[in-house]
Parts: sequence; structure tokens; C-alpha cells
Amino acid sequence: GQSLEQPSEVTAVEGAIVQINCTYQTSGFYGLSWYQQHDGGAPTFLSYNALDGLEETGRFSSFLSRSDSYGYLLLQELQMKDSASYFCAVRDQNTGFQKLVFGTGTRLLVSP
Amino acid sequence: EAQVTQNPRYLITVTGKKLTVTCSQNMNHEYMSWYRQDPGLGLRQIYYSMNVEVTDKGDVPEGYKVSRKEKRNFPLILESPSPNQTSLYFCASRSGKETQYFGPGTRLLVL
Repeated sequence: GQSLEQPSEVTAVEGAIVQINCTYQTSGFYGLSWYQQHDGGAPTFLSYNALDGLEETGRFSSFLSRSDSYGYLLLQELQMKDSASYFCAVRDQNTGFQKLVFGTGTRLLVSP
Repeated sequence: EAQVTQNPRYLITVTGKKLTVTCSQNMNHEYMSWYRQDPGLGLRQIYYSMNVEVTDKGDVPEGYKVSRKEKRNFPLILESPSPNQTSLYFCASRSGKETQYFGPGTRLLVL
């Protein structure tokens, strides 16, 4: 099976940089995805890493180390609108990688 | 506009009264899924479908049914709802690529 661990909550101030970690245990690995969800809203896709290294998309970056079964989401120049929950996710090898398994999410609180 | 739609958005019902939550996507995606989201438990997959007439159980399928008769539609059926099915439900779809698109959610309360 698959399991993912994330911190339950992270706090930061506007303009700062924050890192949200995700460690995973999988029997096979296909890639690590990140989703953002604002309160009352639907999850939206942020990034995907299949290979080791850093992927940058604007203020957001995502990193993967397959040897450490570890990844993180880096948010720079934090804004109030970044207050949301962030989920990492992997594909389940037992279903031919068709099923997406989510972590329990990290709630990010950005204060002025 | 590319989107996933769900109906209804909010529903209050009573135990045992059959209900259906509809889901439709206009992106010609092959893969569709249903999730439920509960506090502290994150998103858990109920059922998924890889194409028309191809469906499989997710992590929490008990008490739910699905069908995939057309590519664009993937309804979720609760034959006899119970209070432990009170939750926030999301439908999602994706193409062969990684980006999964979620519907706006259906908030269900079973009394």
C-alpha cells in the first residue's frame, strides 16, 4: 500500500518562505503531485515531480528525492491568499498506478 | 471552459432514501474518480473509472455505487444513505497526464 506523511499545520508571515514536507512509503513509485485547496473550495493541481530535483512554477517550487522517499513544496513571497491546505499525492502501484492516494494535508496559515 | 460539474452542490436527506450525485466533465477525459473528504482524513477515493464501462473500487467503496455509461458522466449512487456518509464529495477527472481536475464539491448531510 501507500502512505504519505505531512505536517498538519504550518504558520508563516506575509513575504516569507515556507516549506511543506511530504514523506511517502510506496511499493512502487510513479511521481509526486501537489494540490492546493482553499476552505470551501475544490483541490487544484499545483505541480508534479517524476524525477529527482526541483521544479519551479512562479512563486511555487516542488522538490523530489526518490532515494529518500521525500518531497517538499516551497512557497516564496507568501501572500495572504496562499492560506490554504496543501496535499501531496502519489499513485498506487497495486492498481497499475491508476489510483491517486493523498496525504492528510497541511494547513498553511499566512499572517500579516 | 474546461470544467467538472457536480449536482447538487448541497443536499440534506434522511437515512435510507436513495440519492444520486451527478458528475460531468467536458474535457473528453478517460479517467474519473469520486472522493470523500472528512476532517483529519484528507481525500479518500471511493471509486474510479478508467474508461466507459470500466470501474473499480477505491479505498472506501462500501455503501456506494457508480456507473460509467458515457465518457463524460460518472454518477455516484447511495442506495441507502446512512449518517456516516455525511461528508464533502468531490468528483475528478484527468487525461493521461498528471493534472487532475476536481468538481466544486457536494456537501451531503444524512440525518
